[in-house]
Amino acid sequence: QMQLEQSGAEVMKPGSSVKVACEASGGTFNTYTLIWLRQAPGQGLEWMGEISPLGASKYAQKFQGRVTISADDSSRTVYMEVTNLQFEDTAMYYCASPNPYSSCWHCLDFWGQGTPITVSS
Amino acid sequence: QSALTQPPSASGSLGQSVTISCTGTSSDIGGFTYVSWYQQHPGKVPKLIIYEVSQRPSGVPDRFSGSQSDNVASLIVSGLQADDEAVYYCCAYGGTTNPWLFGGGTKLTVL
Repeated sequence: QMQLEQSGAEVMKPGSSVKVACEASGGTFNTYTLIWLRQAPGQGLEWMGEISPLGASKYAQKFQGRVTISADDSSRTVYMEVTNLQFEDTAMYYCASPNPYSSCWHCLDFWGQGTPITVSS
Repeated sequence: QSALTQPPSASGSLGQSVTISCTGTSSDIGGFTYVSWYQQHPGKVPKLIIYEVSQRPSGVPDRFSGSQSDNVASLIVSGLQADDEAVYYCCAYGGTTNPWLFGGGTKLTVL
């Protein structure tokens, strides 16, 4: 059973960049697809991008060029960097993953606890 | 604006049933059998309660069920309990460029 532990809250200035970490424990790290989502205050969930077990990244069109997802196998950590932050990027950011040993690949079975990012001048 | 359309709110009395709809298109809900539902209590992480339209993960009560007709998916919660009060999100596969599409969420109130 995998557990995902995210880095702590951040307060950022407009125009700056932030890098959020998601450390996986349990299971075999490079068998998981790791997805990043965000949830603005009082709003719904939004897929931002993901990284496959082979290290291939994919991004939502909205975030192309502004978001980079990377993985460090040695530390079992996936990172998401968001550049040129704006006020509307204020949100809770989650990493999540399907269970690779389950028959359902389109299921977000495991979630990090969330990382609140506040963009404020 | 979310990719999938859900009513912002729904309500039902204790013990009754309620249905929450999720409307998409033939490119997502209507095109694949990958519709899931997540329950989120205030301040908590979303929890998977239905996957592949109507399948329940282990541990989810059979009071929760799902269905799909054309471009509309539905979550049915029967025998409403106080703890069912939460926000429910639908999620659908929209192809390789939009693999995770979500609805805006429906706040379920148990009266």
